[in-house]
Amino acid sequence: SQQGEEDPQALSIQEGENATMNCSYKTSINNLQWYRQNSGRGLVHLILIRSNEREKHSGRLRVTLDTSKKSSSLLITASRAADTASYFCATDGATNKLIFGTGTLLAVQP
Amino acid sequence: KAGVTQTPRYLIKTRGQQVTLSCSPISGHRSVSWYQQTPGQGLQFLFEYFSETQRNKGNFPGRFSGRQFSNSRSEMNVSTLELGDSALYLCASSLGHGISSPLHFGNGTRLTVT
Repeated sequence: SQQGEEDPQALSIQEGENATMNCSYKTSINNLQWYRQNSGRGLVHLILIRSNEREKHSGRLRVTLDTSKKSSSLLITASRAADTASYFCATDGATNKLIFGTGTLLAVQP
Repeated sequence: KAGVTQTPRYLIKTRGQQVTLSCSPISGHRSVSWYQQTPGQGLQFLFEYFSETQRNKGNFPGRFSGRQFSNSRSEMNVSTLELGDSALYLCASSLGHGISSPLHFGNGTRLTVT
């Protein structure tokens, strides 16, 4: 079963626009991770944010975490066609396993 | 540094057969996790190995098994294949425990069961 649910399921934007994806989870966590997956390939780690952190940046990526609402968001600024991929959040929860959400499919139109 | 290597890349098997998938982690990584990815169920955790010991296991039947060798390489075996086992099997390695360290994924093995 999925611990995290991403929203929206699919997102289509123009190059240069910002893309925001949200992740909601069910149980308390120690940390939350975001990954990207290009079609048919493995996942690539983007950012890990710990439960005591509220915001983290990496290049054009900004991740926020609100543990009171059990939610996180991933913002990609100034998107490029190469950002087209599926984006997943992953949490540890109470299971001692890293569980992935359902993913957001982002399409960036050139 | 070489990334995570999974072999084979593609595999076609018949129902009832068994299959072994291989994963070579990044040098120095001692933890290896396996995931099954399907369009319907998404990414499902299979198991995690650390220093040759299974640390955690997902909710899969006993037909799914794995092991890790002393050089951290890992294999996953599926016996008595079913049509529903068709999926992309992803292996990931990490320095520490997979829940608190970034996972580095291979490109997966695409298994088709006919």
